[in-house]
Amino acid sequence: KQEVTQIPAALSVPEGENLVLNCSFTDSAIYNLQWFRQDPGKGLTSLLLIQSSQREQTSGRLNASLDKSSGRSTLYIAASQPGDSATYLCAAQTGANNLFFGTGTRLTVIP
Amino acid sequence: DAGVTQSPTHLIKTRGQHVTLRCSPISGHKSVSWYQQVLGQGPQFIFQYYEKEERGRGNFPDRFSARQFPNYSSELNVNALLLGDSALYLCASSVGLAIGNEQFFGPGTRLTVL
Repeated sequence: KQEVTQIPAALSVPEGENLVLNCSFTDSAIYNLQWFRQDPGKGLTSLLLIQSSQREQTSGRLNASLDKSSGRSTLYIAASQPGDSATYLCAAQTGANNLFFGTGTRLTVIP
Repeated sequence: DAGVTQSPTHLIKTRGQHVTLRCSPISGHKSVSWYQQVLGQGPQFIFQYYEKEERGRGNFPDRFSARQFPNYSSELNVNALLLGDSALYLCASSVGLAIGNEQFFGPGTRLTVL
């Protein structure tokens, strides 16, 4: 069974700092890896989707990388802002549309 | 264009009751999946439906059931509610069953069981 781990569980940084969130998965036979943002009590907002054949994806200040062989993905956030404060979840797809989620990293950006 | 919508937003029930949650996918999406997210955890897969048929089921008891309608909307039913069923229930839609399809999530229904 696929297990997804996210480290750290919580992170607090000053505004303007660059940061990296980590995601690891046990079964490298994934179809894609998706990063989401979740604000308290809210649903999930898709940030980036990396297909298994890709190495990275970029959107604005966000860059996600994927290394299937080592079972790792990272989400890089450049020039962090207070509005980036949220929980970030990664999810690995190993079935038709079945996502396995990590427990998330709670990010706080201090003004 | 509207995203995935879910109703109701919040719900309070007592142990032993039954609940029905509803989801409308993005227009043109034919696949709907349901996830349960307990406080402090990541979402866990419950069901996937495509073209009104169940295409996947997670490790949840038979008290959980779902169905999909001809317009691709979906209902999640939970019988004999337990305190542990308190969670945020998320619905996700995708275009189809093709591998690698991106999933889009709704705002969720917050269920509290007292």
